[in-house]
Amino acid sequence: QVTLKESGPGILQPSQTLSLTCTFSGFSLSTYGMGVGWIRQPSGKGLEWLANIWWDDDKYYNPSLKNRLTISKDTSNNQTFLKITNVDTADTATYYCARIPSTEGIDYWGQGVMVTVSS
Amino acid sequence: DTVLTQSPALAVSPGERVSISCRASEGVNSYMHWYQQKPGQQPKLLIYKASNLASGVPARFSGSGSGTDFTLTIDPVEADDTATYFCQQSWNDPNTFGAGTKLELK
Repeated sequence: QVTLKESGPGILQPSQTLSLTCTFSGFSLSTYGMGVGWIRQPSGKGLEWLANIWWDDDKYYNPSLKNRLTISKDTSNNQTFLKITNVDTADTATYYCARIPSTEGIDYWGQGVMVTVSS
Repeated sequence: DTVLTQSPALAVSPGERVSISCRASEGVNSYMHWYQQKPGQQPKLLIYKASNLASGVPARFSGSGSGTDFTLTIDPVEADDTATYFCQQSWNDPNTFGAGTKLELK
């Protein structure tokens, strides 16, 4: 059974760094072709792809945010991490982590963690 | 970025057939995927690579298209299908999503 769960600070202030953790089970990020991605969704709005990390430690970042994003993984503990530096109110959203089995879309999503940036 | 254009909303009656379109601003081969999202829930994969039914998804859902024009079809529509449907392309970088089509039942 594949599950993913996001955790984060809930609320933070502008200019701070947002640190998110995705803890997953039911699959391994050392499996050939496997990836985990981060996607966010402001309340009532659409989805925005942020970053992926792959089984071979290859990383992909959305160019519109690339300078602010860092994705990493701990394969032995089944976790991935996303950091977003210098946040502002536009980063307020629900953040999802998700499993990406190669080219077959996003087949499992976490329940999401809501992050609010406010002074 | 590849822009995916979806109609914002549709209203259909239970038992009818509905087609939800997604048009890409540039070719995406067959790397178009469809998701269903209900309020307060995470998205759920319905169709991957244009026409492949995801595991556990009812056969009422189907997908078609290639290149720039894609369609998600639900036939017949059931009351539980009330949701927002998103398309997503994974051929061009960055991966992008459509703005979503809100499906309402009459």
